[in-house]
Amino acid sequence: AQKVTQAQTEISVVEKEDVTLDCVYETRDTTYYLFWYKQPPSGELVFLIRRNSFDEQNEISGRYSWNFQKSTSSFNFTITASQVVDSAVYFCALRQTSGSRLTFGEGTQLTVNP
Amino acid sequence: DTGVSQNPRHKITKRGQNVTFRCDPISEHNRLYWYRQTLGQGPEFLTYFQNEAQLEKSRLLSDRFSAERPKGSFSTLEIQRTEQGDSAMYLCASSSQGDVQGWEQFFGPGTRLTVL
Repeated sequence: AQKVTQAQTEISVVEKEDVTLDCVYETRDTTYYLFWYKQPPSGELVFLIRRNSFDEQNEISGRYSWNFQKSTSSFNFTITASQVVDSAVYFCALRQTSGSRLTFGEGTQLTVNP
Repeated sequence: DTGVSQNPRHKITKRGQNVTFRCDPISEHNRLYWYRQTLGQGPEFLTYFQNEAQLEKSRLLSDRFSAERPKGSFSTLEIQRTEQGDSAMYLCASSSQGDVQGWEQFFGPGTRLTVL
């Protein structure tokens, strides 16, 4: 069975602060993929990043960075210099290499205040 | 617009009625997925098609739920004899088999169902 846990239900920060969203996963598979999605108030899930279990290199894309640590089964997401437009619900998800379904965490509601 | 589209965007129905939702995937995508999302929760997988074949169904998909993708393009999700517990956002996603590494799933805007 697979499980994704996002322990932070809500986070509130002031604009320009850095914020890290935690994600911990459980799987018996040795190979798998991890994802982050953003769900703004409009409701549509927006794909942010995919990481496969072979690649533990951290990734940076603009103000976004991801820290994948297989040893602790974590895939954390950091937003640097947060902006009001970053306010959304962020979901971490897991998929088996050979599977189809995404297993999502419960999401973290991020509010960035001006 | 070349994204995933879903219709209707909102549906209000009375308990016991049947409802049908439609999803049009990204045109070159051969995989199509349905998820359900309730308030404050992450999406939960319902079912998945590769072309017209329904390859996987979740235990969440009770006998009252049926999904089809008759020509391997658009898909419909029907709920018969709706119950108040069916109230949720129903999300459709599609992906291409061409990207072997990850098959990113691209989501539509969802259909919000309210059962009174």
